[in-house]
Amino acid sequence: QVHLQESGPGLVKPSETLSLTCSVSDDSFSHYYWTWIRRPAGKGLEWIGRVYFTGDTNYNPSLKGRATVSMDEPKRQISLTLTSVTAADTGVYYCARVVSPPTSFDPWGQGTLVTVTS
Amino acid sequence: QAALTQPASVSGSPGQSITISCKGTNSDVGSYNLVSWYQQQSGKAPKLIIYEGTKRPSGVSERFSGSKSGKTAFLTISGLLSEDEADYHCCSYAGRSTLIFGAGTSLTVL
Repeated sequence: QVHLQESGPGLVKPSETLSLTCSVSDDSFSHYYWTWIRRPAGKGLEWIGRVYFTGDTNYNPSLKGRATVSMDEPKRQISLTLTSVTAADTGVYYCARVVSPPTSFDPWGQGTLVTVTS
Repeated sequence: QAALTQPASVSGSPGQSITISCKGTNSDVGSYNLVSWYQQQSGKAPKLIIYEGTKRPSGVSERFSGSKSGKTAFLTISGLLSEDEADYHCCSYAGRSTLIFGAGTSLTVL
């Protein structure tokens, strides 16, 4: 069973860039889309974007181009950068594998809390 | 791209059945049979319980079932157990390679 683990700084200052990494344990890394999803405090889940091993990416238009999702195949890692952060970007960030057909997410990482504060 | 509409909370007693709705538009739920549902227990990561509207992943209890009518998808949990107490999230394909979630529903087992 594939295992995903998010990592990154827990605190980010307003207007700065948030950078997170997700490490994937499985050799099937190259055969799936991978995605980032977040859950702001007290709110529901929000899809951020996804990447395929070809480099193809898709993003939530509500983020207005602030998000970039990329992958490093040799390291089996997926990365997220989010620019110009505000307090509204505070929340738990999850990475997940995208499956069937690719519009579902399974499994998920445990999540990492990011707080935007000065 | 507004979030899908879910009730904030539902409740039921052990052994009962409950249904959670997920209302979308003709741009998402109404146009595709690509709704998924996730269970998120307190302090844990979400878990996929329904995909493509009605399909259950291996290992997910038959007590969970999905359906759709028009622009609204439904998750039904039968024979409620205390362990079902969790937040439930729906997600739909929304065209142009984008996905959209609902605001989540908190299930309380009385």
